[in-house]
Amino acid sequence: EAQVTQNPRYLITVTGKKLTVTCSQNMNHEYMSWYRQDPGLGLRQIYYSMNVEVTDKGDVPEGYKVSRKEKRNFPLILESPSPNQTSLYFCASKTGGSNQPQHFGDGTRLSIL
Amino acid sequence: AQKVTQAQTEISVVEKEDVTLDCVYETRDTTYYLFWYKQPPSGELVFLIRRNSFDEQNEISGRYSWNFQKSTSSFNFTITASQVVDSAVYFCALSEGLSGTYKYIFGTGTRLKVLA
Repeated sequence: EAQVTQNPRYLITVTGKKLTVTCSQNMNHEYMSWYRQDPGLGLRQIYYSMNVEVTDKGDVPEGYKVSRKEKRNFPLILESPSPNQTSLYFCASKTGGSNQPQHFGDGTRLSIL
Repeated sequence: AQKVTQAQTEISVVEKEDVTLDCVYETRDTTYYLFWYKQPPSGELVFLIRRNSFDEQNEISGRYSWNFQKSTSSFNFTITASQVVDSAVYFCALSEGLSGTYKYIFGTGTRLKVLA
């Protein structure tokens, strides 16, 4: 089954404790992206990757890191999480080309205390 | 700069009413793509439709229809004879074709509540 898998689905942690949210897709998609969803703000793009070793900032990259060492994986790293990063996070993937829709994971709800 | 505006934060209708969700966009590109996604209460994001900037033909799919007007930079979504299962948050999104940024810009979403 074609899917984007995020882990964990839920996480409660404390300020400053490094964490990684994993994202994996099995559709051989070139493009992968991370979003955060906050009430009243919709979905905002954090980082995206056009292909292996090619990443770029979205609109809200501060406080986040990403890497794309393999085509299928695109982890989101919070080196020193802060409470303002408490949010619902979505990973997405699609084939190359701006005209393609994205396939989304089920989301990861992060709470930073 | 790219921008997508969904001015309606929340809409409530009674079942079987028609409802239109508005989406207004801004872009400097001549080639761009517009999308609608649905987020039901279960939380997943579901792709509904894509429209290219050079194709202004309206589209109908069952009870859903989309009206794309470049002159007003709008891509509105109408649900005819709404049903409770249509209750969800709906997002409009924009992707530019030639700018090379490959960014995806979403609107803030419209929460639709369909009451039985």
